[in-house]
This record gives sequence, C-alpha cells and structure tokens, in this order.
Amino acid sequence: DIQMTQSPSTLSASVGDRVTITCRASQSISSWLAWYQQKPGKAPKLLIYKASSLESGVPSRFSGSESGTEFTLTISSLQPDDFTTYYCQQYNSYPYTFGQGTKLEIK
Amino acid sequence: QLQLQESGPGLVKPSETLSLTCTVSGGSISSSSYYWGWICQPPGKGLEWIGSIYYSGSTYYNPSLKSRVTISVDTSKNQFSLKLSSVTAADTAVYYCARMPALGTFDYWGQGTLVTVSS
Repeated sequence: DIQMTQSPSTLSASVGDRVTITCRASQSISSWLAWYQQKPGKAPKLLIYKASSLESGVPSRFSGSESGTEFTLTISSLQPDDFTTYYCQQYNSYPYTFGQGTKLEIK
Repeated sequence: QLQLQESGPGLVKPSETLSLTCTVSGGSISSSSYYWGWICQPPGKGLEWIGSIYYSGSTYYNPSLKSRVTISVDTSKNQFSLKLSSVTAADTAVYYCARMPALGTFDYWGQGTLVTVSS
C-alpha cells in the first residue's frame, strides 16, 4: 500500500495568514493526489485534484503543488471558515489511501 | 443536484454483518463516467477507503477488508450497497458513500451514517 504522511498534524494560525500543509507519498504517485476539507460532523469536501487543479466552486485562495513525492496545500489568506481538518488522498493505485489529517486551529 | 444518502442500522452486534445502502438521486448510477465508493471514518480518526463499484458490477476492495466486504449495485433502484461481515468494535465508524470519477477522487459524498458495533 502507498503510505501518505501528512505534516503537521496540527497547525495554529491566524486569520489572514498564509499556511502550507504537506503530504508525502511513500512511492511515486505521479500527480494523482487530492486534497479534502472536512468540517466537524460533515462529509469531506473535495478541494484539489490532480495535485494542483482546483475543484469547481472552491475559492482561489486554495492551491496545490507538487515536487516529486511531496505535495503541498496552500491557503493564501486564511478565512474564519478555513479552520478545520484537511486530508490528502492518493489515487495512483489501489488501495486508495488517505493521509492522517491536519487540523488547522486558530492561534 | 446529485445527492447520495446512506441508510441502514445504526447498531450492529459483534460477529454479525453490517449492511448499508446508498441511494443516489439527481443522477444515474449507470453513468459510464463514474464509480461509486464506500469510505469509513472511526470516531476521531482518519478516512479509510473500503471499496468501489462500477455500474456493471466490477468491484475493487481494500485488501485490509477484502475478506469481509461485499459491495453490490442495483441499477434499477439507483442504489449500491455495502456488506461487512464478522464485525467487531473496531468497525465502529461513520460510513460514507461517495461518487468517484474514473480518475479516483471522491467528488460527491453522502452525509455519512454512524454504525456502532456493540452487544
């Protein structure tokens, strides 16, 4: 199985900050990487697919990038609604696997 | 607007079979562009892909659960289902159904249903 390691597990930031969450794959997954946002008690919401493509309707302050097996989700200017949990997911090969999550907290 | 809705018992006894159904509305489960999947999330933990199915019945399962999982599709009812046998307390989780474009992301999700395994 491909292991997805997210860092940090928890991130404290303030409204207006620029933050980056990292996800590292245990082997090459090409660009087959998605990012999700999950609010408490809700289903995950797709933000980014194919490492850097923004899902329709997602604010442009969210962006994704890649370098080899390291992928990053960047939020350019945090809004109050952004303080929640984020997951990465690889879909290069079965079984599809998720990172363990990053909780974004208000500082 | 596509909607997915999970249904099934919220409480299952240990060693029994967990059975859930996902009803799709606002779109056809027989679309050639999509697979349909199940994902679980134990309380306070991360997400785990359980398996996916195509409208033709082709399935892909997570090897960690494969011996206990069956996913089926009923195109006449626009539904797909999950059966997980021999459950234990470790299977207590919120179970989500989701649409999966052929590429492998999950773009539409049900609201999720909590299934507790307890006697």
